[in-house]
Amino acid sequence: DAKTTQPTSMDCAEGRAANLPCNHSTISGNEYVYWYRQIHSQGPQYIIHGLKNNETNEMASLIITEDRKSSTLILPHATLRDTAVYYCIVRAHTTSGTYKYIFGTGTRLKVLA
Amino acid sequence: NAGVTQTPKFRVLKTGQSMTLLCAQDMNHEYMYWYRQDPGMGLRLIHYSVGEGTTAKGEVPDGYNVSRLKKQNFLLGLESAAPSQTSVYFCASTRSDIRSTEAFFGQGTRLTVV
Repeated sequence: DAKTTQPTSMDCAEGRAANLPCNHSTISGNEYVYWYRQIHSQGPQYIIHGLKNNETNEMASLIITEDRKSSTLILPHATLRDTAVYYCIVRAHTTSGTYKYIFGTGTRLKVLA
Repeated sequence: NAGVTQTPKFRVLKTGQSMTLLCAQDMNHEYMYWYRQDPGMGLRLIHYSVGEGTTAKGEVPDGYNVSRLKKQNFLLGLESAAPSQTSVYFCASTRSDIRSTEAFFGQGTRLTVV
């Protein structure tokens, strides 16, 4: 299964862009990159996903490098409510043709007032 | 829609007791997953199911059993609870779309084994 590597923690000033990096050097050609976040001990919340093109939605932007070995989640204007643990996940395909989500340890983002 | 609902939300067990955690989804999703999350750690996949009547092992399946008798329900069983199984358990479900689909998570079950 493709693994992801993320920094353990990051700080960001409120109102500034938060850029969260992720390495996934063993990703396969048909595996998607997903980002989720977890606030306190709630269930993870979906943010965005992509295959090889950059993606943007109302919450964030996802930049995937051309070789697909790394990506960056961008929160354009971080607020205090964005303080959470952010998980970069590669949706791994199984040998039976199905897939599963394997989580790493995530990045703890703290937005500072 | 309720989304993904986990029952119970909290439980304390004595070592050796058994229990079943229930996950129910009302989105007609094919895939369902059980994860555990220990303090300060990410989520680890216990078991998952790609359809009614089918289950598969994840990263940490030992000590757990699962069943998917109905498409909307995914049960996680602990036959003989151990203190090492103290954790927060999350259930998730997704469509089976091979291209892309997000996972929806329940709010978790906090289990303590004493």
